[in-house]
Amino acid sequence: SQTIHQWPATLVQPVGSPLSLECTVEGTSNPNLYWYRQAAGRGLQLLFYSVGIGQISSEVPQNLSASRPQDRQFILSSKKLLLSDSGFYLCAWSVRPSGGYTFGSGTRLTVV
Amino acid sequence: EDQVTQSPEALRLQEGESSSLNCSYTVSGLRGLFWYRQDPGKGPEFLFTLYSAGEEKEKERLKATLTKKESFLHITAPKPEDSATYLCALSYNTDKLIFGTGTRLQVFP
Repeated sequence: SQTIHQWPATLVQPVGSPLSLECTVEGTSNPNLYWYRQAAGRGLQLLFYSVGIGQISSEVPQNLSASRPQDRQFILSSKKLLLSDSGFYLCAWSVRPSGGYTFGSGTRLTVV
Repeated sequence: EDQVTQSPEALRLQEGESSSLNCSYTVSGLRGLFWYRQDPGKGPEFLFTLYSAGEEKEKERLKATLTKKESFLHITAPKPEDSATYLCALSYNTDKLIFGTGTRLQVFP
């Protein structure tokens, strides 16, 4: 069966520090991978998506970047965090053609 | 312009009091409409996918329906454990899902 792992569950980081959030998928090959951010009381905002290794599409210009070094690994990074980067980050995968997403358990990031 | 709009933003129900959540959309060429449940501090959990107008799907106390412009999530005789945020999402011309802002449901015993 397919599973998705996302870590860490919670993270408190000072302003200006780097960030690395990792997401891995098991039990499927060549998935579409997504990073979303959810601000308190708001909907899900798509940050990045990837249809293959090394292929990254950015939806919103910001302080973050994403990479896909392996087929089932998706990494969200920042060189210097801002206060506005705080939020709930969710990784998800889907199979092509477009279908429902399966989400990870999320990372609560607080930048202080 | 918002492509997916959910209403109401919040809904309080007494246990056993049936109601419906609405998801309206403005895109054309809908490829799929999805309903998710999200508990606080957790990732959304998939509930249903609807692909064409007139389609209905059921799971326990939940039933989702789809028309050409909106979808409803009907909750029959809800229980406190149904309390959660319900998210609607749709895909139309890409592999990306566009999410609504959700309806926060609270069911009181």
